[in-house]
Amino acid sequence: DIQMTQSPSSLSASVGDRVTITCRASQSINNYLNWYQQKPGKAPKLLIYVASSLQSGVPSRFSGSGSGTDFTLTITSLQPEDFATYYCQQTYTTSRAFGQGTKLEIK
Amino acid sequence: EVQLVESGGGLVQPGGSLRLSCAASGFSFSSYTMHWVRQAPGKGLEYVSAISYNGGSADYANSVRGRFTISRDNSKNTVDLQMGSLRPEDMAVYYCARSGNYYDSNGYYTEAFDIWGQGTMVTVSS
Repeated sequence: DIQMTQSPSSLSASVGDRVTITCRASQSINNYLNWYQQKPGKAPKLLIYVASSLQSGVPSRFSGSGSGTDFTLTITSLQPEDFATYYCQQTYTTSRAFGQGTKLEIK
Repeated sequence: EVQLVESGGGLVQPGGSLRLSCAASGFSFSSYTMHWVRQAPGKGLEYVSAISYNGGSADYANSVRGRFTISRDNSKNTVDLQMGSLRPEDMAVYYCARSGNYYDSNGYYTEAFDIWGQGTMVTVSS
């Protein structure tokens, strides 16, 4: 099965900062990579699909890039509502594995 | 309003069984692949199972294969997860999710979970 590894596992940042989260697949997944945001006690929310396409309604400060095995989620000008946990997910194979998550905390 | 509502969670003893259900509304349910994803307390997301739009195919995570069965009833707009031989490590919030209709730059269909339910908690304990 394909393994998804995110880094860092946690990250402290301030409002207005630019942050980047990395996701690495154990083998090539083309660009079949999604990003989700989850807040405590809530269901995940789709942010990015096929590595770089922004889901409808998601602010443009979120962007994704990458292909093959290495991917990034970038948030420019962090807002208070962006502090949450972020997950990547591959949909290249039916295992549809998620990364372990990156918790973004307020500094 | 497009929504998914899970039900059926609760407390079950190790080795026991439980059936979760997810009711869909606000969209053409029979056109979409549906999924179950779980999250153990304080842990990350774990993919569990999927069923195709017409119920013709299903797949499972290795951790639940042979113990869980996914099914759907397109006449009732529901997708179920029958869980058996439950273990303490199955304890989690179980989410139902929809694969929206997304395509890559070459026009190939790709999965992305665009609608999620609120989750239902399954506790496995004696």
